[in-house]
Amino acid sequence: EIVLTQSPGTLSLSPGERATLSCRAAQTVPNNYLAWYQQKPGQVPRVLIYSASTRATGIPDRFSGSGSGTDFTLTINRLEPEDFAVYYCQQHAHAPLAFGGGTRVEMK
Amino acid sequence: QVKVVESGGGVVQPGGSLRLSCAASGFNIGTNFIQWVRQAPGKGLEWVGIMQKDGSNQYYTDYLKGRFTISRDLSKNTVYLEMNNLRLEDTAVYYCAQGTGWVADSWGQGTLVTVSS
Repeated sequence: EIVLTQSPGTLSLSPGERATLSCRAAQTVPNNYLAWYQQKPGQVPRVLIYSASTRATGIPDRFSGSGSGTDFTLTINRLEPEDFAVYYCQQHAHAPLAFGGGTRVEMK
Repeated sequence: QVKVVESGGGVVQPGGSLRLSCAASGFNIGTNFIQWVRQAPGKGLEWVGIMQKDGSNQYYTDYLKGRFTISRDLSKNTVYLEMNNLRLEDTAVYYCAQGTGWVADSWGQGTLVTVSS
């Protein structure tokens, strides 16, 4: 199993600022098959990014993913009020498809 | 419109069993992957398992193997999660999600399973 560690646990930022979220894998993620999901309070998760850097359909371009191997980053440029949520990474290379523990982006 | 809808949640005693359903519409479960994810109250997402689109294999998170089983009925376009010997710590909202690959492209609203005596 590929264990994913997300940091920081909580990020306190203001609207308009940039958020940088990290996801580190305990071993190399094959083909950089790493996805990011957003979950707002009381809502169902939705996919933002897959294969490390490909935006899912309908996701604004202020969301970007980067990284390879074991280190991956989700960047949110110019935070909008609706971006304050919990973000999870998940490797989609091979089973078990474990999630990271999540990063909460909260309004300062 | 591609959609999945979970059902079958409820209250069950420790040691009991429950079968959850994930009814698909707008696509054929024989062409997409269906995975199950759960979320305990106030906690993060926990991956449960996935069924290959051809039905040839199911994969599970290690510590649920043997208690949880994923199956499907193509005629009903529905995937099931059979849960046995339930424990208090299995209390969670259970989501099913579908995708053309192993990415969870779209999710259902979830069904709540409460294990309580």
